[in-house]
Amino acid sequence: GAGVSQTPSNKVTEKGKYVELRCDPISGHTALYWYRQSLGQGPEFLIYFQGTGAADDSGLPNDRFFAVRPEGSVSTLKIQRTERGDSAVYLCASSLSGLGLAEQFFGPGTRLTVL
Amino acid sequence: AQSVAQPEDQVNVAEGNPLTVKCTYSVSGNPYLFWYVQYPNRGLQFLLKYITGDNLVKGSYGFEAEFNKSQTSFHLKKPSALVSDSALYFCAVRDTGDDKIIFGKGTRLHILP
Repeated sequence: GAGVSQTPSNKVTEKGKYVELRCDPISGHTALYWYRQSLGQGPEFLIYFQGTGAADDSGLPNDRFFAVRPEGSVSTLKIQRTERGDSAVYLCASSLSGLGLAEQFFGPGTRLTVL
Repeated sequence: AQSVAQPEDQVNVAEGNPLTVKCTYSVSGNPYLFWYVQYPNRGLQFLLKYITGDNLVKGSYGFEAEFNKSQTSFHLKKPSALVSDSALYFCAVRDTGDDKIIFGKGTRLHILP
């Protein structure tokens, strides 16, 4: 079946602009995670959804970052007033259940470049 | 807060030799431990996990990992390396009572033909 998909695969934007990154999880997966991966680093946790609600958003770096999952499936990560330091690969993962015990299936990521 | 350390940025192993990729962790409760692999231009893939039970966990592609509570380690191993095992490997940990998984910075594994 289809895996986790993320769009766009690449996004180049200018400092100060607003961007939206989309994640389509595997059908039936109730848990969805967003991570950010900078060069030479492991994925950094941003936010975790169980169904429609954000169960843990402690990894969001500041209030410029926001994520939604209104129908418990597709999720959008929104970044306002982008800064050059936001440049990274943004990864989405989904799993059958939450609490971090089930295997997470990762998407290919969106590479964000802020000029 | 939980943390995970992968002390080696890169590991080089000759094809056919055994390989070990090291991982140590720190948690306040009981750890849940994971290994993921990232091939070039591909997403992260799950290899194996330790939740409870037998300390030796077997996973995909012939990999295994041993949970050692006293040494707070979860090293990844394979008896005989293949060139196709060359990739970036990430260790990850989740603490009981916490939802998020914390990843190490990764270890690049080079298998030399």
